Amino acid sequence: GEDVEQSLFLSVREGDSSVINCTYTDSSSTYLYWYKQEPGAGLQLLTYIFSNMDMKQDQRLTVLLNKKDKHLSLRIADTQTGDSAIYFCAERGGSQGNLIFGKGTKLSVKP
Amino acid sequence: NAGVMQNPRHLVRRRGQEARLRCSPMKGHSHVYWYRQLPEEGLKFMVYLQKENIIDESGMPKERFSAEFPKEGPSILRIQQVVRGDSAAYFCASSPLRQGLTSGANVLTFGAGSRLTVL
Repeated sequence: GEDVEQSLFLSVREGDSSVINCTYTDSSSTYLYWYKQEPGAGLQLLTYIFSNMDMKQDQRLTVLLNKKDKHLSLRIADTQTGDSAIYFCAERGGSQGNLIFGKGTKLSVKP
Repeated sequence: NAGVMQNPRHLVRRRGQEARLRCSPMKGHSHVYWYRQLPEEGLKFMVYLQKENIIDESGMPKERFSAEFPKEGPSILRIQQVVRGDSAAYFCASSPLRQGLTSGANVLTFGAGSRLTVL
C-alpha cells in the first residue's frame, strides 16, 4: 500500500536553510504536495510539484523531486522564526487519487 | 471568500454521546473530504463526498461513523457512541474538481479543523 515517511523533527538557526525530506512508495503518484500546519490551525498548502518535474522554486521555497528514488525535499532559504511549524508531505495516490500524508516534520527555528 | 468553514472548533463529549461536526466548503467547491489527525500522527483520509453522494468511504471506520453532504447545507461527520480513541482533530477540505489521478493538481483547501475530546 501507499506510505509516506518523514523525519519527525528538524531544528535550525534563524537565517540558515532548512531541508525537510520525504520518501513515498506509490510510483504512480502524479502530484506531490507540501503543507504547513501552525499550532492549533489547519493545513495551508505551500507548494506542489508534478511528477514529471525535477525541481520547482517559489520565492524562498525549493522543491526537489527524485522520482527514481521516490524522494521529495523542501528547502526553505533564510529560515525565519515564523517558519516554525509542522510540515507535511503528501502524495496523490490510491484508486481515487486521495491525498496520503506523512506524519509531519516539526521545524523549530532558533533565534 | 470565507474559505472552508468548520464548526465547532472544539467539542467535548463524554463516552457514549454523539458528536456532530460540520463543514461548509469554499464557495464554488462541490467536493468535500474528511481527514482525521490523531495526536502526533499525520492526516488519515476518511471519506470523500459530493452533493448527496458518498464517492469514497474507504477510510471510514465500519461502525459508529457516518458522513453526509446534503443538497442544501454543510457536510456533516457524525460519530455515535464516542469512545476515548475518537479524540482527534477532524479536518475538512474541499476542491472544485473531482479528485482523481487525471484531474490536475486539484488542490485541496483545508479548514481549521474541529478538535474532539472524549472524556
